[in-house]
Amino acid sequence: GNSVTQMEGPVTLSEEAFLTINCTYTATGYPSLFWYVQYPGEGLQLLLKATKADDKGSNKGFEATYRKETTSFHLEKGSVQVSDSAVYFCALITNSGYALNFGKGTSLLVTP
Amino acid sequence: DTAVSQTPKYLVTQMGNDKSIKCEQNLGHDTMYWYKQDSKKFLKIMFSYNNKELIINETVPNRFSPKSPDKAHLNLHINSLELGDSAVYFCASSHPTSGADTQYFGPGTRLTVL
Repeated sequence: GNSVTQMEGPVTLSEEAFLTINCTYTATGYPSLFWYVQYPGEGLQLLLKATKADDKGSNKGFEATYRKETTSFHLEKGSVQVSDSAVYFCALITNSGYALNFGKGTSLLVTP
Repeated sequence: DTAVSQTPKYLVTQMGNDKSIKCEQNLGHDTMYWYKQDSKKFLKIMFSYNNKELIINETVPNRFSPKSPDKAHLNLHINSLELGDSAVYFCASSHPTSGADTQYFGPGTRLTVL
């Protein structure tokens, strides 16, 4: 079946540090990959996505590259801010699927 | 304008009661979803409707019944609430029915069963 594995959190970083959140997946076919972010007390917002191998999604300084050979979609940001503190979810959907398969989420806390 | 809205935002109720959560989207999407987020923040699909027809029904107790009166609405009715139903329920919508299209989520309804 389809599944997404994310690194366990919480991740605590100082402001301006480099961020990597690892995400690997197992899927039949060729999935599309997503990162969603959930700020405290809010719903999920799409952060970025990639729909085919070697695509790079980017938004608000965050980037992730769809790596088919390693079945990965790691999230990176060069310099995090306190306002980036949130829970980050990696997710996939296959071409024949109708719903997102989510990872368990990684909590990020950025301190001043 | 809010794209996907849910009411209520918070719902506190006693075991055994019946309750409903409403969802509306003004994005013109064909497909709507209900996801459940447990206390460890794990998100799992419950139901999906496309043009008012059920297309996904995961292994959810039949106490949960989704109702889609039209394409813009997908309500969730829960009978005989149990403690384990306490969670945050998210509605989402997308267009078209599958693939790479982004799902837009509502703000969530935090259900607490006492």
